[in-house]
Amino acid sequence: DAGVTQSPTHLIKTRGQHVTLRCSPISGHKSVSWYQQVLGQGPQFIFQYYEKEERGRGNFPDRFSARQFPNYSSELNVNALLLGDSALYLCASSAVLAPSSYEQYFGPGTRLTVT
Amino acid sequence: AQRVTQPEKLLSVFKGAPVELKCNYSYSGSPELFWYVQYSRQRLQLLLRHISRESIKGFTADLNKGETSFHLKKPFAQEEDSAMYYCALSAPNSNSGYALNFGKGTSLLVTP
Repeated sequence: DAGVTQSPTHLIKTRGQHVTLRCSPISGHKSVSWYQQVLGQGPQFIFQYYEKEERGRGNFPDRFSARQFPNYSSELNVNALLLGDSALYLCASSAVLAPSSYEQYFGPGTRLTVT
Repeated sequence: AQRVTQPEKLLSVFKGAPVELKCNYSYSGSPELFWYVQYSRQRLQLLLRHISRESIKGFTADLNKGETSFHLKKPFAQEEDSAMYYCALSAPNSNSGYALNFGKGTSLLVTP
């Protein structure tokens, strides 16, 4: 298993555009979480999905949305991009919902640059 | 509100010296605490979690509820320990589910 995979690796967009980031969890994992990591900061929680349902949402504007598909892969969508959305977007998967019992495995991230 | 504070942005120690990376948290209930590590050009990965009470790569961390701390310690640092270390807290709530709340991270540099 290649672990959690994310695409694309890098992305450059212009202010006001829309972007879709993709994540494939480890085989058998049913929970996917998205995090935003701005340079010099720790990852900040955006969304968590389990069994295709949203189970948690961080303090992000409605421009951010996500979904999980029947094969447990996930998409993160960001509309009306702002310069401040430039960051590394991390996806993490786990077998079940609660991180206390099961490890969250992180992907390599997608580096988004908004100009 | 949940908050994780890592007061040191950078910590530099000599090989063989003891190392302690500090982590303080604010949460009124009983959180789950974790240490994640990111080595150069690698993915963020779990180092240890407080409920396991285990030692990984010589690192240990004890949850001190009285001081609301979860400091990471190693008696003898090695050069391969150089990495970015993040303390994280998980406390389920109706809004964020089982999200991990990360500190800003501490960059550990072990020099020969």
